[in-house]
Amino acid sequence: SQQGEEDPQALSIQEGENATMNCSYKTSINNLQWYRQNSGRGLVHLILIRSNEREKHSGRLRVTLDTSKKSSSLLITASRAADTASYFCALNTGGFKTIFGAGTRLFVKA
Amino acid sequence: ETGVTQTPRHLVMGMTNKKSLKCEQHLGHNAMYWYKQSAKKPLELMFVYNFKEQTENNSVPSRFSPECPNSSHLFLHLHTLQPEDSALYLCASSQESYEAFFGQGTRLTVV
Repeated sequence: SQQGEEDPQALSIQEGENATMNCSYKTSINNLQWYRQNSGRGLVHLILIRSNEREKHSGRLRVTLDTSKKSSSLLITASRAADTASYFCALNTGGFKTIFGAGTRLFVKA
Repeated sequence: ETGVTQTPRHLVMGMTNKKSLKCEQHLGHNAMYWYKQSAKKPLELMFVYNFKEQTENNSVPSRFSPECPNSSHLFLHLHTLQPEDSALYLCASSQESYEAFFGQGTRLTVV
């Protein structure tokens, strides 16, 4: 399978806590992307990390990539109720083919 | 507002109907995509177009027929669908293989 596998499938935390989601994959990648989706809406791009990068930050988001372990993690610090959504990792294996995983459903309790 | 607009937002159609989904982007991107999102399943990449040329067709049944008349517009023509085709259909665009911008989707129900 070319898609990433997110772990956990679902995560429930209190507001203010950190949320960590993981993505494992089996193929070589060109880049890995993280997206967010609110229920029934389109996906919103969060961060893209290239295969030669190890870490990227954007506001309260931190993404790491370990190509030797074929894994990536998304950390959301100081979570807010508004962060409640599904989060997907997406693998670009070259060209225009970007494959999405099944996602992690995050619920942040106020 | 992501710059990618899909219409209609909701569609109910019978199995013998013919309908079309429309997507347009005003971002100047060179690639456009159709994805299918069913409940509890990963997003499925259906079709990819690069500058109007189809580059990917992920074994999609022929009852789904894409059309890309120019790099800003993408259609998905639907014909004799099955109830299991009910899903959220998402259009996206990107410049090369970088971040994709998604539309809000069309919620399709086949009755």
